[in-house]
Amino acid sequence: NAGVMQNPRHLVRRRGQEARLRCSPMKGHSHVYWYRQLPEEGLKFMVYLQKENIIDESGMPKERFSAEFPKEGPSILRIQQVVRGDSAAYFCASSPPASGSYEQYFGPGTRLTVT
Amino acid sequence: AQSVTQLGSHVSVSEGALVLLRCNYSSSVPPYLFWYVQYPNQGLQLLLKYTTGATLVKGINGFEAEFKKSETSFHLTKPSAHMSDAAEYFCAVSDRPLGNEKLTFGTGTRLTIIP
Repeated sequence: NAGVMQNPRHLVRRRGQEARLRCSPMKGHSHVYWYRQLPEEGLKFMVYLQKENIIDESGMPKERFSAEFPKEGPSILRIQQVVRGDSAAYFCASSPPASGSYEQYFGPGTRLTVT
Repeated sequence: AQSVTQLGSHVSVSEGALVLLRCNYSSSVPPYLFWYVQYPNQGLQLLLKYTTGATLVKGINGFEAEFKKSETSFHLTKPSAHMSDAAEYFCAVSDRPLGNEKLTFGTGTRLTIIP
């Protein structure tokens, strides 16, 4: 059973460009979470999605950031008009629906560098 | 609001010595608590979790943690450190009982093992 997959692993963007980060959850998992890790800091929750629904986006910046998890295909975290402060590692995690395991399985992350 | 405090951003122990990484939490509901490990340039791997039941939980790689409600603590221990334990460790809390599984992380503790 493949784990959570994220691509690209490394992404370089110039200021003002768009960044699109993809996350494929583990097979059978319908819950996806995005977290951001700034240098020398812990992970900060951004958004929690289920298929075709945003459940909690309380950690998302109000502007330039959006996320989706369509019925088919991976979850996408989109950052428009990137700025240097967006440079960070972005992690996706998934969990199965109502499994009772209460744990999230993390992908290897996408490291975004804004130049 | 939930929060996690990890005392000591850097901890060094000698190989074979006791490992103790501290975690204190704040939660308005009975917490679900987790320890994750992160190796350089990798995602997070679950070490162990506490949800309900026995307060002393055992995880992978010889680690264990004890939930102490009176002290609001969930410290991570390992009797004998191994060189392969060198990594960053994150404590996290979830408000799962409220139906939202998002994790709130501490800022992490970097563990160095001295040969």
